[in-house]
Amino acid sequence: ETGVTQSPTHLIKTRGQQVTLRCSSQSGHNTVSWYQQALGQGPQFIFQYYREEENGRGNFPPRFSGLQFPNYSSELNVNALELDDSALYLCASSPRGHSGNTIYFGEGSWLTVV
Amino acid sequence: AQKVTQAQTEISVVEKEDVTLDCVYETRDTTYYLFWYKQPPSGELVFLIRRNSFDEQNEISGRYSWNFQKSTSSFNFTITASQVVDSAVYFCALSESPMDSSYKLIFGSGTRLLVRP
Repeated sequence: ETGVTQSPTHLIKTRGQQVTLRCSSQSGHNTVSWYQQALGQGPQFIFQYYREEENGRGNFPPRFSGLQFPNYSSELNVNALELDDSALYLCASSPRGHSGNTIYFGEGSWLTVV
Repeated sequence: AQKVTQAQTEISVVEKEDVTLDCVYETRDTTYYLFWYKQPPSGELVFLIRRNSFDEQNEISGRYSWNFQKSTSSFNFTITASQVVDSAVYFCALSESPMDSSYKLIFGSGTRLLVRP
């Protein structure tokens, strides 16, 4: 139990639609990162949020966007869904400013685009 | 560019056997962090270990042990006396070393471990 919760756990969308995934970070964790994990592959870094601002982005197009709220929870939005967007989307949280900390993941949201 | 290679796609062992999962990394940074995560079928990535590049001491935690060798850019993971519950996908990951712990992980492709009774 990491304290990172994601919703929804599973969803199916049609190509061209938009989707919003949600993440509630572990208590006290002010940094949230999102990862995409395609079937049979390792997770890939999408972006990270700190103090409600994007703090680093991986190789993903602008139709992947995010938000972080004052309570540190976060959303991942994907517009104009493509079939290749089908994947497990993982949220991770970590505190900032302490060298001994690590990063904890939620159980993810399984997205299927048809 | 940073890269993590897990050459073993899938390993199958019989319960109580020892098994080593290999991880080779590439980075130009002199300071970095290495991680191992376990991913059961539920999908959640379970944190196993974090090691910084200045600490080459091997670590043991119960049946788990890790061998970090900077000379060969490897961070291998050994499970001693494997159990069926160890069956999962294991990921090795690398991150630059931000002063503020804002890790951005680069994952390998994972090794699927199947432990048969």
